[in-house]
Amino acid sequence: DIVLTQSPALAVSLGQRATISCRASQSVSISRYNLMHWYQQKPGQQPKLLIYRASNLASGIPARFSGSGSGTDFTLTINPVQADDIATYYCQQSRESPFTFGSGTKLEIK
Amino acid sequence: QVQLKETGPDLVQLTQTLSITCTVSGFSLTTYNVHWVRQPPGKGLEWMGAMWNGGGTDYNSAFKSRLSISRDTSKSQVFLKMNSLQTDDTAKYFCARHRLTYGFDYWGQGVMVTVSS
Repeated sequence: DIVLTQSPALAVSLGQRATISCRASQSVSISRYNLMHWYQQKPGQQPKLLIYRASNLASGIPARFSGSGSGTDFTLTINPVQADDIATYYCQQSRESPFTFGSGTKLEIK
Repeated sequence: QVQLKETGPDLVQLTQTLSITCTVSGFSLTTYNVHWVRQPPGKGLEWMGAMWNGGGTDYNSAFKSRLSISRDTSKSQVFLKMNSLQTDDTAKYFCARHRLTYGFDYWGQGVMVTVSS
């Protein structure tokens, strides 16, 4: 199974940049596709797709969210962080079954 | 618009079988895949399995032979059945629409299932 490793928590001041990382135990890229996706989950809600294929903004997601990376190392950036961004962020790979998720990074305000 | 809705029991007895239905609208099960993901209270997301648009299935081996996913395309429904439930199966169960290169783009609100002894 592909294991995705995320830091448990990140504290950032409002208006600053948040950088959340996800490292895969093996490459999740196929040809030109980086099959890593990012989700936001607020308490009591279902996850919401933010970024697909590492760097593509999902429909309706604000431009302050962006993604980058390839192979095994990926990053979700939120700039600037707003109060509404307080949530847990998960990476997820579609390279192969089982379609694993990272353990989540909880974004907190300093 | 695209919607997914899970329906199922709130409470299941230890060692019994869990059955959850995911009813979808706004898209066809023969065009899109639907997967099941669960989340124990206070914990992360765990992929359980998939119903592929062609009718095939895929399962997380962590569930061994306990898990079964099926569908009724005429009713736009996908079914999850899992037997031999234990207390650590207490979780919120989500169904989600999936496209391989687009991730899980739509999710149901989930159904919280408690396994009780």
